Amino acid sequence: ETGVTQSPTHLIKTRGQQVTLRCSSQSGHNTVSWYQQALGQGPQFIFQYYREEENGRGNFPPRFSGLQFPNYSSELNVNALELDDSALYLCASSTASVPGANVLTFGAGSRLTVL
Amino acid sequence: KQEVTQIPAALSVPEGENLVLNCSFTDSAIYNLQWFRQDPGKGLTSLLLIQSSQREQTSGRLNASLDKSSGRSTLYIAASQPGDSATYLCAVNTGFQKLVFGTGTRLLVSP
Repeated sequence: ETGVTQSPTHLIKTRGQQVTLRCSSQSGHNTVSWYQQALGQGPQFIFQYYREEENGRGNFPPRFSGLQFPNYSSELNVNALELDDSALYLCASSTASVPGANVLTFGAGSRLTVL
Repeated sequence: KQEVTQIPAALSVPEGENLVLNCSFTDSAIYNLQWFRQDPGKGLTSLLLIQSSQREQTSGRLNASLDKSSGRSTLYIAASQPGDSATYLCAVNTGFQKLVFGTGTRLLVSP
């Protein structure tokens, strides 16, 4: 399978709830990162995972957490949802063997609305 | 802290025009710079990637340049078409997969 796939594509939650977003990396890619894109803004780096370990984090609180599985698929979990968490969440995968040489492949995103 | 700025924020041109989108960044310590295209409500499509040691990359009607020392990149689109209408984002790679994005340029090409 080629490309990065994300699920669900759209979801609506209420403030205080928890959400899990899923990502299947492109075949052969061992590194995954997550980005949050608010309306009208550029994506913001949340964190990245390499070999099932968090390997870099942006300016996001601990209620944003993630997992990477042995097959390199990944989850993003957000607890205690706030209205400002409404955004498009993007997953990107690559091979991390050489820093900077890799091209990131992005999924189509999961659109989260918090009411 | 790395900051990326894109000018203009929006651009409207008639079909057939050549155009230039600008991107500037504050810290020259980057691995590479990528230009992406994003259609409304969709994910990102990588257009061009320029390594820090390179000065330009070309793909079809697109040409991207990089001047790392001055912290600038341009995306040149030749003979624009209505299908080019989208938001164009530039992003600098500060290490592995940590990209710092600009806020984008919304391009509208009218028939």
